[in-house]
Amino acid sequence: GAVVSQHPSWVICKSGTSVKIECRSLDFQATTMFWYRQFPKQSLMLMATSNEGSKATYEQGVEKDKFLINHASLTLSTLTVTSAHPEDSSFYICSASRSGTSTNEQFFGPGTRLTVL
Amino acid sequence: AQSVTQLDSHVSVSEGTPVLLRCNYSSSYSPSLFWYVQHPNKGLQLLLKYTSAATLVKGINGFEAEFKKSETSFHLTKPSAHMSDAAEYFCVVSEGAGSYQLTFGKGTKLSVIP
Repeated sequence: GAVVSQHPSWVICKSGTSVKIECRSLDFQATTMFWYRQFPKQSLMLMATSNEGSKATYEQGVEKDKFLINHASLTLSTLTVTSAHPEDSSFYICSASRSGTSTNEQFFGPGTRLTVL
Repeated sequence: AQSVTQLDSHVSVSEGTPVLLRCNYSSSYSPSLFWYVQHPNKGLQLLLKYTSAATLVKGINGFEAEFKKSETSFHLTKPSAHMSDAAEYFCVVSEGAGSYQLTFGKGTKLSVIP
């Protein structure tokens, strides 16, 4: 149990276009989902925390107008990179916390590799 | 505030020899501590977690870690390395069982020499 999927697993796009990445909890409900960014050979940096039905909370330095997060249901959160530029190329990983439990364990998706040309 | 320091960016061991990946943390509250493993171009997989129960935590694939409050450490060990253990390992801290805010260490790359 506790499987999180991401789609697509990789995407290549032209500069100036927008890209949507989906994060789904397949076998559990997730009140809270998280979006991380990982640069090559570096650790994960939290970008934002999203709660179902409310606005996402962005970390300092993350442009909320550029990285749009929607958490419309208990099993789906989306990250849209708007007007992508080469510096947005990165590995994006989502995670989800299981609803109704006291544990703070996060279950991670397999990641999405974004390359902006 | 919480922080994590992984003392080695790269550890290399021979297959069949013990593995030790070091992690020190700081936290204002009773922390939860995790070790995650990441294989190339993959997401993170939880190896084990400490949440104020037994201080010696056993995880998957033969890994274990010991929570030492006096030393603020949570080192990851395995008695005998396998080639498939070669990956990036992240030590992660969260302040208390009710907190969802995770702070990641910079990671330790484990290489296993045949």
